[in-house]
This record gives sequence, structure tokens and C-alpha cells, in this order.
Amino acid sequence: DQQVKQNSPSLSVQEGRISILNCDYTNSMFDYFLWYKKYPAEGPTFLISISSIKDKNEDGRFTVFLNKSAKHLSLHIVPSQPGDSAVYFCAASARSNTGKLIFGQGTTLQVKP
Amino acid sequence: DVKVTQSSRYLVKRTGEKVFLECVQDMDHENMFWYRQDPGLGLRLIYFSYDVKMKEKGDIPEGYSVSREKKERFSLILESASTNQTSMYLCASSLPSGMGTYEQYFGPGTRLTVT
Repeated sequence: DQQVKQNSPSLSVQEGRISILNCDYTNSMFDYFLWYKKYPAEGPTFLISISSIKDKNEDGRFTVFLNKSAKHLSLHIVPSQPGDSAVYFCAASARSNTGKLIFGQGTTLQVKP
Repeated sequence: DVKVTQSSRYLVKRTGEKVFLECVQDMDHENMFWYRQDPGLGLRLIYFSYDVKMKEKGDIPEGYSVSREKKERFSLILESASTNQTSMYLCASSLPSGMGTYEQYFGPGTRLTVT
């Protein structure tokens, strides 16, 4: 039972355009969401997060939007750069999870020069 | 800067061997985690530990065990390696969830191949 789903395995965008990565979840107890970025042969690195009491969080070129009624979150990258090419994982947690994160399958983003 | 280190970047073992993967963190974090990453499956939790000598099974604990004798060190043990355990293994650490943050810090990963 996949509680966090990233339905697009891959995404390709042109440099300078917007990248939108999507994530859906099923567990209404989730109250904190994170995005991680992973380059090949490296561990994931934290990118941005959002609490369920907010619907938007912005950090430079990265913005995460949360739609609780739809149980959907998205990561917007504007403008996209070739160095953003990586695998992006969304993750979710609930207070009752003792710090555990539930990860999606990942979306591979390719930004073309 | 949080640092999580893993003992090996690449490892090749034979079927049936006992395999130890070591992870060390330097931020005095209570929580430590072991995941495996496989294409199309994301990161799946094998085991986690929320204190020294405390551990809990994750989603896929079969064929694995863990040890946490010191706060900074969390070991993953494959008792008898099998080819279906060929994967990327990732260790992570974090503060307790009661601190209001859920961010986990990851090591560089160990690419394990079982032949």
C-alpha cells in the first residue's frame, strides 16, 4: 500500500522554464512534507519542507504547494537549471510516526540546456 | 554541518556471506535509519533506531538485522546475503520527532552487489 505516490517517473524541461513535480498521499494523518534531491552515487539531500498548517513555502527558486483537501503537493522550480537534473523524492511524516518518513518512488528530472 | 558517513561506497559479496554495513553520524542525533533504494521503488525503510540499543522494524526487515551499541553508530547486518539484496543502502539520522522537525540527513550510500 503506497501511502506516498509520485506518478511521473520522469520529467524533461528546457533550461529557464518551470519544472513541476507532483506527489499524492493517502494518509490524512500526515502533517509534514519534505522534498529531497538525489544525484547518482550520492545520498539524498534535503531541499524544502512544508507543514500541514501552511499551503505554500518558498525558498529561492523552489516553492512547495500543499493542497490538503486533494492530498496533493507539488514542487515548483523556477527557473530550471541543468544542475537541477536529479531524482526528486517527496516524503511525508505524521507525529505518530516517531520521526519516520514515508517516501515516494521518485521522479527523475532532466533539464536540457 | 551534519555529517553521516558510511563505511564503504561500493561492496561486492558472495551469496551466503555475512555482510556488515556501518554508519556513523556526528550530530548527536537520537534517530538513525537504514533504507534501501531500488529503481521505481523509492526509499524503503529497513530498520530504525530511536535510542541506543532500541530498534524497530521498518517496512522490509526480512533478511536484515541491526545493532546500535553507541549513539553515533548504527550497523546493518545481512545475516546471509542473497542476490535480491543487491541494492543501494542509505543510512540517515535525525533529531527526535518531538523537536518539531522531521528532516533526515543522509550518508553517501553503499552500493552492494551480491553475486
